[in-house]
Amino acid sequence: SQTIHQWPATLVQPVGSPLSLECTVEGTSNPNLYWYRQAAGRGLQLLFYSVGIGQISSEVPQNLSASRPQDRQFILSSKKLLLSDSGFYLCAWSPRGAANTGELFFGEGSRLTVL
Amino acid sequence: GNSVTQMEGPVTLSEEAFLTINCTYTATGYPSLFWYVQYPGEGLQLLLKATKADDKGSNKGFEATYRKETTSFHLEKGSVQVSDSAVYFCALSEGWTSYGKLTFGQGTILTVHP
Repeated sequence: SQTIHQWPATLVQPVGSPLSLECTVEGTSNPNLYWYRQAAGRGLQLLFYSVGIGQISSEVPQNLSASRPQDRQFILSSKKLLLSDSGFYLCAWSPRGAANTGELFFGEGSRLTVL
Repeated sequence: GNSVTQMEGPVTLSEEAFLTINCTYTATGYPSLFWYVQYPGEGLQLLLKATKADDKGSNKGFEATYRKETTSFHLEKGSVQVSDSAVYFCALSEGWTSYGKLTFGQGTILTVHP
């Protein structure tokens, strides 16, 4: 069966510090991968998605970047965190092509607090 | 652009009460509609979905009907249980080519008391 792992679960960082959140998927190949963010009191917002190694699409301009160095690894980064980067970050995957029924499979999230 | 609006929460009910969580959407095309649920300490998981007008999605006693005329996808359950306490998210995507690129509502917290 497929599983998705996301870490760290909780992170407290000072303004201006770097960020790296990592996500890996097991039990499937060539997944579509996604990073979502939920700011306090708001719905989830799509930040990045990837359909393959090295292929990253950004949905909103921001202080963050994403990379996909391996097929089942997705990394969210920042060189210098801002207060507004605080939030709950969720990694997700979906099958590619005909196997895609619209269902997303989410990790358990990483809560980032920038002080 | 696309948007999803959910009823404001939190919603607090007694066990066996009837549940409705309202969801309305704005989309330019013919979206697919979803309800996701997040139980305490867990990630989001798909609860039900509908891909075209008048479709009814159902799962675990929950139902939602895709109403194009009112641009709504309200979630209902006839008799809630304590175990249904969770955060519920309504979402849409612009067809199968955009699956995964979901637009979410803000979420509704449901608490069910014994």
